[in-house]
Amino acid sequence: GAVVSQHPSRVICKSGTSVKIECRSLDFQATTMFWYRQFPKQSLMLMATSNEGSKATYEQGVEKDKFLINHASLTLSTLTVTSAHPEDSSFYICSARGLEPSLEGEQFFGPGTRLTVL
Amino acid sequence: GQNIDQPTEMTATEGAIVQINCTYQTSGFNGLFWYQQHAGEAPTFLSYNVLDGLEEKGRFSSFLSRSKGYSYLLLKELQMKDSASYLCAAMDSNYQLIWGAGTKLIIKP
Repeated sequence: GAVVSQHPSRVICKSGTSVKIECRSLDFQATTMFWYRQFPKQSLMLMATSNEGSKATYEQGVEKDKFLINHASLTLSTLTVTSAHPEDSSFYICSARGLEPSLEGEQFFGPGTRLTVL
Repeated sequence: GQNIDQPTEMTATEGAIVQINCTYQTSGFNGLFWYQQHAGEAPTFLSYNVLDGLEEKGRFSSFLSRSKGYSYLLLKELQMKDSASYLCAAMDSNYQLIWGAGTKLIIKP
């Protein structure tokens, strides 16, 4: 099956620093990757959609200068949280959609990254 | 607007059957997904329905009625490991997933 990895799985940082999260599709080429944020006991909130080689499309209310997304290749997308603050502490999950999905539009999820900003 | 509704929490007994309902309103429709999410983990895919009817996969089945904007996930022979949140997501005309808030399923012995 399609496997998506995320690194790191957990990160703790000081307020004001930047954190980079990597999302990789390990055994398929992902034309589209999605970045989600999930606060405790809430559903997934789509932050942005990125297509390989083009700028990401951000959802309303998500600051693109704060959450930098780079989808440089068909297997890698990165999310950088710049100048992180405690309110950015959350569970960040990426998902990927392949060139030839087994199901139309199916997304394969990474294991998530738990970010804690002190 | 686009909206997904599902119950917040349900409780069931080990070995029993439980049905989790989901209603949706989307701009266009390209299918309905069910995901399972254990606490602190990413969602895992359970089922996909795009045509009306029941899809059975082992202990789990999923039903869709497009005319009613309604789906349910049926879990049989419940096991303690089935305790998790179950997320309903509808895909709109742009192939974007619209997510429900999730149903927390509590299994009691």
